[in-house]
Amino acid sequence: EAGVVQSPRYKIIEKKQPVAFWCNPISGHNTLYWYRQNLGQGPELLIRYENEEAVDDSQLPKDRFSAERLKGVDSTLKIQPAELGDSAVYLCASGKDRGRRETQYFGPGTRLLVL
Amino acid sequence: SQQGEEDPQALSIQEGENATMNCSYKTSINNLQWYRQNSGRGLVHLILIRSNEREKHSGRLRVTLDTSKKSSSLLITASRAADTASYFCATTASGTYKYIFGTGTRLKVLA
Repeated sequence: EAGVVQSPRYKIIEKKQPVAFWCNPISGHNTLYWYRQNLGQGPELLIRYENEEAVDDSQLPKDRFSAERLKGVDSTLKIQPAELGDSAVYLCASGKDRGRRETQYFGPGTRLLVL
Repeated sequence: SQQGEEDPQALSIQEGENATMNCSYKTSINNLQWYRQNSGRGLVHLILIRSNEREKHSGRLRVTLDTSKKSSSLLITASRAADTASYFCATTASGTYKYIFGTGTRLKVLA
């Protein structure tokens, strides 16, 4: 079974530039998560999807961040414009057991550096 | 904000020794999970313990949960160099589906 795929793996941009990350979840997984992980910290949830519906985006900075999950499969996370503080690893995860005992399967992440 | 805090922040042991790391959290939970993250990789699920369970085993892993103290511990027995990684606890607060991760323990197992 293929795991969660993310691209690109690394991205270096200058501040004020836009950037987009792509995630392909495990086949059959209906839930999808985007997390941001700062250096030396645990992941922090940005947005959670159930199928194509964003059911929790309370921690997504909506002035500059946007996300979409077309057809309830692949997802993209966009930052426009990027700021220095956005440098972090952006992790995508998926799961199939709706409910509070769901196991999340993580992709390798996209490491973003904003100069 | 992060719900859990792991202790210690970093741990260095010799191969073959046991490693114990602890997680404390703030609110009532549905369950608690432990994840491992190797350098430059995503997180890998290790074990889930429900709020009504007190202890759970999986291979060389032993997890305990004390809801009265709002804490959990992860024990790795007979550690190996390949266990070198960061370990995170993640909790879902009662009534929510949202997982909140702790700050992690960086474990280094010396060969």
